[in-house]
Amino acid sequence: QSVLTQPPSVSAAPGQKVTISCSGTSTNIENNYVSWYQQVPGTAPKLLIYDDNQRPSGIPDRFSGSKSGTSATLAITGLQTGDEADYYCGSWDSSLSVVFGGGTKLTVL
Amino acid sequence: QVQLVQSGAEVKKPGASVRISCTASGFTFRKYEMHWVRQAPGQRLEWMGWINAGYGNTKYSQKFQDRVTITRDTSASTAYMDLSSLRSEDTAVYYCARRADWGLYYFDYWGQGTLVTVPS
Repeated sequence: QSVLTQPPSVSAAPGQKVTISCSGTSTNIENNYVSWYQQVPGTAPKLLIYDDNQRPSGIPDRFSGSKSGTSATLAITGLQTGDEADYYCGSWDSSLSVVFGGGTKLTVL
Repeated sequence: QVQLVQSGAEVKKPGASVRISCTASGFTFRKYEMHWVRQAPGQRLEWMGWINAGYGNTKYSQKFQDRVTITRDTSASTAYMDLSSLRSEDTAVYYCARRADWGLYYFDYWGQGTLVTVPS
């Protein structure tokens, strides 16, 4: 069963912008929606982005998602120290299973 | 408000089985699909399977196909995940998560997680 590929870590200074990539295949990302989850260590994941680029209510517009082909990207602008967390992308697969990325640790310097 | 409340932490011997429950409230349980996702210490999220709480049909990850069983009790609004033949590599936090709705492809609510420890 395939998994999605994310960079292990990214970092940037407060106020800056960071992007996190998520690479998949034609059986998942290219033909299914991508969602993004934020996980503070020791807590459950929290939905951040759904349907490639939609934000649930309560998620600030500093968070945005995009997708092209077999890759998706999460962008965070105006970085805050409170954004430090692990970020996971997820997608359904053509076999009705679910795949997640390996997670990206965001450090706000 | 929607809540998913999971059972407490477990310590199991290698070869044993574990059952984790996930009790839902604040929504009509049988109208949703409930998933199980686990996370080993310092590792990524790993999808295990789902159950349609209304019909009871299931889908499992190939990795866990032979060892996992997901069931539900609609009268108790509770989903269960049984994992058998436990080994040390199964030490992880196990989460239940609700698929947002039929035709939607994301998890909008998660349980608080249940730590299962299998000493080596």
